[in-house]
Amino acid sequence: EAQVTQNPRYLITVTGKKLTVTCSQNMNHEYMSWYRQDPGLGLRQIYYSMNVEVTDKGDVPEGYKVSRKEKRNFPLILESPSPNQTSLYFCASRTGPGTGGYEQYFGPGTRLTVT
Amino acid sequence: EDKVVQSPLSLVVHEGDTVTLNCSYEVTNFRSLLWYKQEKKAPTFLFMLTSSGIEKKSGRLSSILDKKELFSILNITATQTGDSAIYLCAVEAGWGAQKLVFGQGTRLTINP
Repeated sequence: EAQVTQNPRYLITVTGKKLTVTCSQNMNHEYMSWYRQDPGLGLRQIYYSMNVEVTDKGDVPEGYKVSRKEKRNFPLILESPSPNQTSLYFCASRTGPGTGGYEQYFGPGTRLTVT
Repeated sequence: EDKVVQSPLSLVVHEGDTVTLNCSYEVTNFRSLLWYKQEKKAPTFLFMLTSSGIEKKSGRLSSILDKKELFSILNITATQTGDSAIYLCAVEAGWGAQKLVFGQGTRLTINP
């Protein structure tokens, strides 16, 4: 089954304690992205990656890091989480340009609370 | 700064009504506009629009894009309680990169 998986699904942590949210897709997609969703603000793109070792900042990259060492994985790293990073996070993937269509597959979401 | 604005932010109607959701945008190098439906989990894809005036249709849902006036509408006819969700509009923009800008979403509630 084609899917994007994220782990953990729920996480409560304390300020300053480094954490990683994993994201993996089994569709051989080139493009992967991370979003955060906050009430009244919709989804905002944090980082995206166009292929292995190619990443770029989205609209709200501050406080986050990413890496893309393998095509299927795109982890989101919070080196020193702060309460304003409490949010619902989605990972997404899709095929690259020229392949037609644009169905972006979203993971199930990770609800992060930083106290 | 790229911007996507949806209206209304919230809408409550009765089952059987027809609704129109709006999405306007101001972005650099527009590529496409997408609509998503979000229930209690991840957004699911509805439509992608790239050309003005061509209606996309799926069952009771339809959408159209106006690239001159920079907006799109999503219509839902004969609404059902299962249509209750947040509807998200997103615009793919920018140069050679996968930049996707989302609107705030419209929370649609269908009462029986």
